[in-house]
Amino acid sequence: GDSVTQMEGPVTLSEEAFLTINCTYTATGYPSLFWYVQYPGEGLQLLLKATKADDKGSNKGFEATYRKETTSFHLEKGSVQVSDSAVYFCALSDRDTGRRALTFGSGTRLQVQP
Amino acid sequence: KAGVTQTPRYLIKTRGQQVTLSCSPISGHRSVSWYQQTPGQGLQFLFEYFSETQRNKGNFPGRFSGRQFSNSRSEMNVSTLELGDSALYLCASEAGEGTLAGELFFGEGSRLTVL
Repeated sequence: GDSVTQMEGPVTLSEEAFLTINCTYTATGYPSLFWYVQYPGEGLQLLLKATKADDKGSNKGFEATYRKETTSFHLEKGSVQVSDSAVYFCALSDRDTGRRALTFGSGTRLQVQP
Repeated sequence: KAGVTQTPRYLIKTRGQQVTLSCSPISGHRSVSWYQQTPGQGLQFLFEYFSETQRNKGNFPGRFSGRQFSNSRSEMNVSTLELGDSALYLCASEAGEGTLAGELFFGEGSRLTVL
């Protein structure tokens, strides 16, 4: 079945450092890919998405490119801020499963220190 | 516009009891999904409702059930609670058209503790 694998956290960075959170996926079909973010005490918010190969999703300085050849969707940001501290989830939606739902990775906690 | 609203935010139950959680989606959204979030299992899909019909179901036992009303509000029920049901239950809504789950709008969740 479908699955999403994320790098283990927590990831601890200093403010203005470069961020990469790795995400790879396994899917039976041709999925759409998402990054969601969960701030403390809140629900998940969509950060960015990509629906086909080579698409780049971007939002709030974050970027991720849909790489079909490597089945990856790594999240990057050039300069993180303390306010970026949160848990980040990679997810996919695959029409071919016949199930209209998101499959999530385990989440990566990001801690940004001033 | 108002976001997804879940009630109650926190609740404590004992084993064997049952619980009902409520979710009001964003106005105009016809699809409501429920997810269970635990430290060990992460985020797992429970079920999805669209226009009062359960359209998709995850791999949870029959103790977990749900329904959707004509105004798109949804409830989920867990009967005969077990300790392992302690979790954050997240509701998400979207317009619901198409065959792929798209951008989900999540509520803040209902945190259930089973003692």
